[in-house]
Amino acid sequence: AQSVTQLDSQVPVFEEAPVELRCNYSSSVSVYLFWYVQYPNQGLQLLLKYLSGSTLVKGINGFEAEFNKSQTSFHLRKPSVHISDTAEYFCAVSVPLPYSSASKIIFGSGTRLSIRP
Amino acid sequence: NAGVTQTPKFRILKIGQSMTLQCTQDMNHNYMYWYRQDPGMGLKLIYYSVGAGITDKGEVPNGYNVSRSTTEDFPLRLELAAPSQTSVYFCASSYRDASSYEQYFGPGTRLTVT
Repeated sequence: AQSVTQLDSQVPVFEEAPVELRCNYSSSVSVYLFWYVQYPNQGLQLLLKYLSGSTLVKGINGFEAEFNKSQTSFHLRKPSVHISDTAEYFCAVSVPLPYSSASKIIFGSGTRLSIRP
Repeated sequence: NAGVTQTPKFRILKIGQSMTLQCTQDMNHNYMYWYRQDPGMGLKLIYYSVGAGITDKGEVPNGYNVSRSTTEDFPLRLELAAPSQTSVYFCASSYRDASSYEQYFGPGTRLTVT
């Protein structure tokens, strides 16, 4: 069965410091991986995605993630965070639905990133 | 493009009441989905649709119903609301091709059942 594990429920970081949010997945099929961000009282916004090709994926707002097949990881990084990055971050994997051409997104439980001035 | 829109934004229901959560997308996506997000958890799939007239159950369908009469709309119906249905509900849509792996989400409906 496919699953996504986000290893840290909360990550406090000082402004302008680097940050890494960790994500591990398990899947028996080809994986398509995502990071979504949810700002307070808002919906989900796609940060970046890995479908194939280069294992280093760049997204919006200066974030990037590296797909590591051998370690089944897809950690999210940013070299210097800002107050505006305060949000909840969800790692997710897309898996096919049985007997369907559609797929569903399986989400991790989220990591709350709080930025301290 | 408005993308995926959901109404209402907030709602409080009494136990046993019913309501319909509305979802509309203007991207001509074939696939549409309903998820719920419980506190401290990721999202769980309730129902999905691969096109007008075609719907199927996800992981947590009990207590909900859906219909898809048009490509644009995918309403979610709650019959006999229960406290366990207190959650934030997200609608999403995607294309019907290789890029269907990416889903576009609406802003959510926060529902409280008391």
